[in-house]
Amino acid sequence: ETGVTQSPTHLIKTRGQQVTLRCSSQSGHNTVSWYQQALGQGPQFIFQYYREEENGRGNFPPRFSGLQFPNYSSELNVNALELDDSALYLCASSESSGGARAGELFFGEGSRLTVL
Amino acid sequence: AQSVTQPDIHITVSEGASLELRCNYSYGATPYLFWYVQSPGQGLQLLLKYFSGDTLVQGIKGFEAEFKRSQSSFNLRKPSVHWSDAAEYFCAVAPRSNDYKLSFGAGTTVTVRA
Repeated sequence: ETGVTQSPTHLIKTRGQQVTLRCSSQSGHNTVSWYQQALGQGPQFIFQYYREEENGRGNFPPRFSGLQFPNYSSELNVNALELDDSALYLCASSESSGGARAGELFFGEGSRLTVL
Repeated sequence: AQSVTQPDIHITVSEGASLELRCNYSYGATPYLFWYVQSPGQGLQLLLKYFSGDTLVQGIKGFEAEFKRSQSSFNLRKPSVHWSDAAEYFCAVAPRSNDYKLSFGAGTTVTVRA
């Protein structure tokens, strides 16, 4: 069974640039969530995708956007990068949205973004 | 506003000693409750969760947690820690109406000394 994989693991960008982060879901999972984890803080929910549609969103501006593909892999795009976007971005997959498996997220190791 | 508080930023414990990590939440109604662990170089891993029923929940790696409604707490315990338990631990909650949207506490870092 293949776990959640994310790429790239580390990247450096400058203010105003755009970034795309990628995530491959665990086999059999059709739901993907993205979280932002700033240094010394817990992860914050960005959004979730289920069957290629955004299923819910946290308190993040529209310059944070995403995609989910038919194979359930996903992308997180961030436009007009700001210094405060520097963080570890975590992707998590799950079997479905809600029900008995609610909250049972399988996380990747994350993509560490540094904005200079 | 909903919130999750982990009062202890860092705890040091001797190998073989017991461990308790505190978690308090502020919510309109009892949410779903979770504990996740983040080890260096690894993704977050679910230790246990509480939905309903028995307030003492057993998880993986010998961990357990107790839900106390009157105290809005969900504390994590382990009777005897191993060096491999050194990690960062996160308490998380999710509203029953939007159970995919986890809110995490700031985490507690556990150091295990020999």
